[in-house]
Amino acid sequence: GENVEQHPSTLSVQEGDSAVIKCTYSDSASNYFPWYKQELGKRPQLIIDIRSNVGEKKDQRIAVTLNKTAKHFSLHITETQPEDSAVYFCAAIGGSNYKLTFGKGTLLTVNP
Amino acid sequence: EPEVTQTPSHQVTQMGQEVILRCVPISNHLYFYWYRQILGQKVEFLVSFYNNEISEKSEIFDDQFSVERPDGSNFTLKIRSTKLEDSAMYFCASSQSAGDTGELFFGEGSRLTVL
Repeated sequence: GENVEQHPSTLSVQEGDSAVIKCTYSDSASNYFPWYKQELGKRPQLIIDIRSNVGEKKDQRIAVTLNKTAKHFSLHITETQPEDSAVYFCAAIGGSNYKLTFGKGTLLTVNP
Repeated sequence: EPEVTQTPSHQVTQMGQEVILRCVPISNHLYFYWYRQILGQKVEFLVSFYNNEISEKSEIFDDQFSVERPDGSNFTLKIRSTKLEDSAMYFCASSQSAGDTGELFFGEGSRLTVL
């Protein structure tokens, strides 16, 4: 089955700096890669996603890149703000159409 | 904006007791899921449900677990005889379609504490 590795597990940045979180996946059949933000005690919320026919996608301060050959994808947050502080999870859908496999999460702390 | 709703938000139970967690998916969604998250860990897939049957389940989803869509709106997860290690946040999710075309919408979660 699919295996998703995520790094780093914790990331601390100063407000205004950029943050980058990286994930790798194992199933070459995976074709959908969402990123979720989870605040403490809350549900995971989709912030951006990318499909395998696209190499990069941007939404304001958030961007995601995908390298299918290397089987890795990354989340980039620019001009970070304290409200960006949360746990971020990458995920992938592999050969199965129903099962989203999550990475272990990255705790992002943005210091004012 | 339509939401997935879950009840209860928190349930405390004794080991060996049966627990039912309830979910109301978004009304026009066709695919339903349960995920769980042990405190401080990643979100793990349990089961997916489509067309009134299980479409896929993980190794976590053993004989102690079952799901049901008893009517047109509810989707339930039953744990027959709870164990300490079942303590976790359980998230229900739904989507309009499956695979890479279907964004998952998560409920707020039901925290289960097994004593």
